[in-house]
Amino acid sequence: AQSVAQPEDQVNVAEGNPLTVKCTYSVSGNPYLFWYVQYPNRGLQFLLKYITGDNLVKGSYGFEAEFNKSQTSFHLKKPSALVSDSALYFCAVNTNAGKSTFGDGTTLTVKP
Amino acid sequence: EAEVAQSPRYKITEKSQAVAFWCDPISGHATLYWYRQILGQGPELLVQFQDESVVDDSQLPKDRFSAERLKGVDSTLKIQPAELGDSAMYLCASSSGGGRVQETQYFGPGTRLLVL
Repeated sequence: AQSVAQPEDQVNVAEGNPLTVKCTYSVSGNPYLFWYVQYPNRGLQFLLKYITGDNLVKGSYGFEAEFNKSQTSFHLKKPSALVSDSALYFCAVNTNAGKSTFGDGTTLTVKP
Repeated sequence: EAEVAQSPRYKITEKSQAVAFWCDPISGHATLYWYRQILGQGPELLVQFQDESVVDDSQLPKDRFSAERLKGVDSTLKIQPAELGDSAMYLCASSSGGGRVQETQYFGPGTRLLVL
């Protein structure tokens, strides 16, 4: 069975500092990996995805993520955090069977 | 920018009552998903439609939940009777193709259900 782990419930960073939100996955077959962001009382918004090719994926709002097959990780990164980046972030994996599995989310707080 | 529409945004009901949620996907999107998101957890797929056909409802509690997408456009998710444990956010999403694994899903704002 496929699974996604987001080991940190909460990540706190100061504005202007780099941020990393961690994600590891377990699947049989090729992983298709996604990051979404959720603001309070809103649905999920797509940030970026890895399907194949370059391990470094660039997405919306200056976010990027690095796919690491040997470590089965897909960590979300941003070089310089903004207060407006504060939100709930979800990592998700799809498999060849078309099923999506989401992690439990990481709350990112960026302090001025 | 096209969006997925959901209504109502909030619903409070008493246990044993029936509730229904509505979703209108982005125009032209053939694939529609219903998810349940319990507070503190990620979304869990309840049902996936391809046009008007159910592709996956393996996680749908069929004794009380039903979903339909009669004309392959908008969709309704129903719970009857509602139980306390059904309190959650119900999210609808759509994607443009055949639900292929590399497709991006676009989510609506969700319906927050509270069962008393």
